[in-house]
Amino acid sequence: EAGVAQSPRYKIIEKRQSVAFWCNPISGHATLYWYQQILGQGPKLLIQFQNNGVVDDSQLPKDRFSAERLKGVDSTLKIQPAKLEDSAVYLCASSLNPGGPTQYFGAGTRLSVL
Amino acid sequence: SQQGEEDPQALSIQEGENATMNCSYKTSINNLQWYRQNSGRGLVHLILIRSNEREKHSGRLRVTLDTSKKSSSLLITASRAADTASYFCATDPTGNQFYFGTGTSLTVIP
Repeated sequence: EAGVAQSPRYKIIEKRQSVAFWCNPISGHATLYWYQQILGQGPKLLIQFQNNGVVDDSQLPKDRFSAERLKGVDSTLKIQPAKLEDSAVYLCASSLNPGGPTQYFGAGTRLSVL
Repeated sequence: SQQGEEDPQALSIQEGENATMNCSYKTSINNLQWYRQNSGRGLVHLILIRSNEREKHSGRLRVTLDTSKKSSSLLITASRAADTASYFCATDPTGNQFYFGTGTSLTVIP
């Protein structure tokens, strides 16, 4: 079965610019997660979707971050405007059900904000 | 924070030796999982242990869970160079979300 697809793999932008990341989860997986992983740290959950509804976005900086999963399949995470501290790897994961228990991760998008 | 903490932060061993890493967490959990992350890659699920289990094996992996101490350990036996990676524990206090620890960076020297 195909894994979680993410694009782009790398992105370099200047602060105050906008950027968008795309994720296509494993077919049939209802739950989709976006994580932010800063260098040297573990992944931090930004937002969790169940189909096209938001389950938890309590750690999403909503003044600059937004995410959508309109048709309950693929998802887009946007940052506008970016700050230096947004430099990180953005990981997308999916699971069959909420709480998985197993999450399947994409390779991530490495963002550098200059 | 509900995040777990792995110990040690970094571990370097010779090929063939065993590697042990620990995870401590703060709240009660439904289950605990261990994931591996190779450099520049996403995380890969290794093993899950439920809160009513004390020990679980999968190939060269052995996981223990002590809910009274809120801690877990991951043992990799007969390590290989390919085991070089970062290892994270993840807990789900609510049964619906996961909180990852800070990770242990393992280097296996051939």
